[in-house]
Amino acid sequence: DVKVTQSSRYLVKRTGEKVFLECVQDMDHENMFWYRQDPGLGLRLIYFSYDVKMKEKGDIPEGYSVSREKKERFSLILESASTNQTSMYLCASMGQGSGNTIYFGEGSWLTVV
Amino acid sequence: GQQLNQSPQSMFIQEGEDVSMNCTSSSIFNTWLWYKQDPGEGPVLLIALYKAGELTSNGRLTAQFGITRKDSFLNISASIPSDVGIYFCAGSNAGNNRKLIWGLGTSLAVNP
Repeated sequence: DVKVTQSSRYLVKRTGEKVFLECVQDMDHENMFWYRQDPGLGLRLIYFSYDVKMKEKGDIPEGYSVSREKKERFSLILESASTNQTSMYLCASMGQGSGNTIYFGEGSWLTVV
Repeated sequence: GQQLNQSPQSMFIQEGEDVSMNCTSSSIFNTWLWYKQDPGEGPVLLIALYKAGELTSNGRLTAQFGITRKDSFLNISASIPSDVGIYFCAGSNAGNNRKLIWGLGTSLAVNP
């Protein structure tokens, strides 16, 4: 089974702090994604990466950056956290030629106070 | 970004009832996926569809890829309490297979 592991399930951070959300997948997938999920808004794509050191903006990249130094690891960075970034963050991965099947981690609940 | 039209937005049913939900798109897709999200967890893949007209089952769940390639539905038969959760549809088109388009979800509550 594909395993996507998010390092933190629950975080509380202060406004202005730099926040790192880490994600690791164990299936050698080329593609990795970061989504945020808010009530009534569904899943919104922040950034994705299709190869090491490669990244593309999703639908809501403002206020976020990402890092993919190794194939199995994809990090989401909030340079200066704000209260409107309080949300559930979901990491996902997908292999090439896997029929677009995307596998999610368990999610990270971030509260910015 | 683009979103799919998923309906209904929420459902409250009695245990044992059948459930039907659907997604429509303004553009053609070559893949339709259905996911379920339990409270506090990440979404989990239920069924993947790759061919127009395809009908696929997974236990009590059945999903179909619409002939027009612009819609898909998911049916759950004889619902049980553990079916509670949010069901999401997602699709992708030939133009950008890496980027899925998502519905807003159908929230299902089952009364035992």
